[in-house]
Amino acid sequence: DQQVKQNSPSLSVQEGRISILNCDYTNSMFDYFLWYKKYPAEGPTFLISISSIKDKNEDGRFTVFLNKSAKHLSLHIVPSQPGDSAVYFCAANYGGATNKLIFGTGTLLAVQP
Amino acid sequence: ETGVTQSPTHLIKTRGQQVTLRCSSQSGHNTVSWYQQALGQGPQFIFQYYREEENGRGNFPPRFSGLQFPNYSSELNVNALELDDSALYLCASSAGTSANEQFFGPGTRLTVL
Repeated sequence: DQQVKQNSPSLSVQEGRISILNCDYTNSMFDYFLWYKKYPAEGPTFLISISSIKDKNEDGRFTVFLNKSAKHLSLHIVPSQPGDSAVYFCAANYGGATNKLIFGTGTLLAVQP
Repeated sequence: ETGVTQSPTHLIKTRGQQVTLRCSSQSGHNTVSWYQQALGQGPQFIFQYYREEENGRGNFPPRFSGLQFPNYSSELNVNALELDDSALYLCASSAGTSANEQFFGPGTRLTVL
């Protein structure tokens, strides 16, 4: 049972335009959400996160939006740059004694120059 | 500040053998989590270690075991290797079990023949 889903395996965007990566989840107990970026042959790099008590969090070119009623979150990258080309993973956790992360399957973003 | 390091980078084993993977946590982090990332999938939680004790486990059989040392470094041991154990093994550290953000190492690529 996939509790965190990224239904788009890939996305291609022109440099300078907006990239929107989507993520859906099924477990209403999740209380924290994270986005990681992964380049080939490297581990995932933490990008941005959001608590379930918020609906938006911004950090520079990156903004994460959370819609709890729809169990949906999205990552917006504006403007997109060729260096943003990577696999993006959405992850969630529900706190408790173990902060284990539940990951989606990832979306490969290609930013075309 | 030193990031998360893992060794070895790559490893090739045959079915039935045993393997030990190593991880050094980021300085100041006392909690280490291990994840398995199969090809085309997101990372899956194996277990977490805090204060040298296992603190939560995912859906992995007992032949996956671990250790944490007083300096917070950690080992992942896998006995009786199976072909399906071929994957990227990721170590992540965090500042406590309630910290939401986890920071990943570059991973160890294990191939089982």
